[in-house]
Amino acid sequence: DAGITQSPRHKVTETGTPVTLRCHQTENHRYMYWYRQDPGHGLRLIHYSYGVKDTDKGEVSDGYSVSRSKTEDFLLTLESATSSQTSVYFCAISPGTGRGEQFFGPGTRLTVL
Amino acid sequence: DAKTTQPPSMDCAEGRAANLPCNHSTISGNEYVYWYRQIHSQGPQYIIHGLKNNETNEMASLIITEDRKSSTLILPHATLRDTAVYYCIVRPAEASGGGADGLTFGKGTHLIIQP
Repeated sequence: DAGITQSPRHKVTETGTPVTLRCHQTENHRYMYWYRQDPGHGLRLIHYSYGVKDTDKGEVSDGYSVSRSKTEDFLLTLESATSSQTSVYFCAISPGTGRGEQFFGPGTRLTVL
Repeated sequence: DAKTTQPPSMDCAEGRAANLPCNHSTISGNEYVYWYRQIHSQGPQYIIHGLKNNETNEMASLIITEDRKSSTLILPHATLRDTAVYYCIVRPAEASGGGADGLTFGKGTHLIIQP
């Protein structure tokens, strides 16, 4: 399995509080992604990164920001969490060698009350 | 990404081959077919991908029709651990200009392996 960890694995927070989720990889892969998964919607891309300090928006980026200051870490921040951001969040990595496959982390279950 | 169509659910007996179909009639010439699966509450797992030739790896085989408008994922000897949602996705590979953009997941096929 690709070396991807996500922290925390579970979090309960209150509306209006800031939340940061961390994705850490040990594969030295170039690309990193944040997805969210909700019932009835499947997985949807939030943000992605194609290198250190190089990030771009995905399909559902409103309310989220990201940062990547090191190859191995990709942070997802909810500046002011809302109940609509209750979801399971998956991080993924891709080597960028031309094959296109992505490897996913175990997920973080976030509940915003 | 091109649209894909998959049956919402399928059953297969343990030990038999599971054949999962996918239609992608609007696929472009530079787009690959990728298959992923997601076992309950886990992150999606890459299975296999191909362009136009049939592909096989330790997990599965991928058969793509000559006109590339459909494909079939084959799990040769299904086990109970293969029960999962299987996603068929088409997109350009990074080398052909797909860049770093993410995957577009549809609803997939819920494959249930029966004992």
